[in-house]
Amino acid sequence: DVKVTQSSRYLVKRTGEKVFLECVQDMDHENMFWYRQDPGLGLRLIYFSYDVKMKEKGDIPEGYSVSREKKERFSLILESASTNQTSMYLCASSLWDLGVPGEGYTFGSGTRLTVV
Amino acid sequence: GDSVTQMEGPVTLSEEAFLTINCTYTATGYPSLFWYVQYPGEGLQLLLKATKADDKGSNKGFEATYRKETTSFHLEKGSVQVSDSAVYFCALRILAGGTSYGKLTFGQGTILTVHP
Repeated sequence: DVKVTQSSRYLVKRTGEKVFLECVQDMDHENMFWYRQDPGLGLRLIYFSYDVKMKEKGDIPEGYSVSREKKERFSLILESASTNQTSMYLCASSLWDLGVPGEGYTFGSGTRLTVV
Repeated sequence: GDSVTQMEGPVTLSEEAFLTINCTYTATGYPSLFWYVQYPGEGLQLLLKATKADDKGSNKGFEATYRKETTSFHLEKGSVQVSDSAVYFCALRILAGGTSYGKLTFGQGTILTVHP
């Protein structure tokens, strides 16, 4: 069964800490994404990557960075965590689909991050 | 820009009731349309999809028809069960090209609660 695995289900961090959220997929997908999910706001795209070492800003990149050193792994980094970054973080992956009607994404189970 | 609007929730139904969750979209290109479901404590799962006008996606008793003339993709189920209680997200994806890379754009989500 294909999977997207997020390293932690629950995480509690202190304000100002540097936080790493890890995501690994075993489907050889080119595209990987990080979203945050907040009540009433739905899912908002933070960053995405379409290839190793490539990254693009999403809709809300401020306060975040990403790293993709290997195809299967996409890390989200909170450089200095703040309380307004308390949220559910969802990783997803998909095939590269240039010119082809899109397939959906495969999502991980999410990491619920609390910054205190 | 591209956007998805879902009916506001929460939606509360009794078991065996008929379900409709409305979804409309605006898109600059020709999108593929998706419904995702998120069960409590889990990530998102693809429920169904449609890639061209008049296509009907279906899965687990749920259906949605791609209506280009009304830019809609309403989710329906004839008889809901308690196990259908979840958050439902409508989403669109433009064919990858230029800088779009086939990103999904989500609606804000609709919470469905089904009582016995």
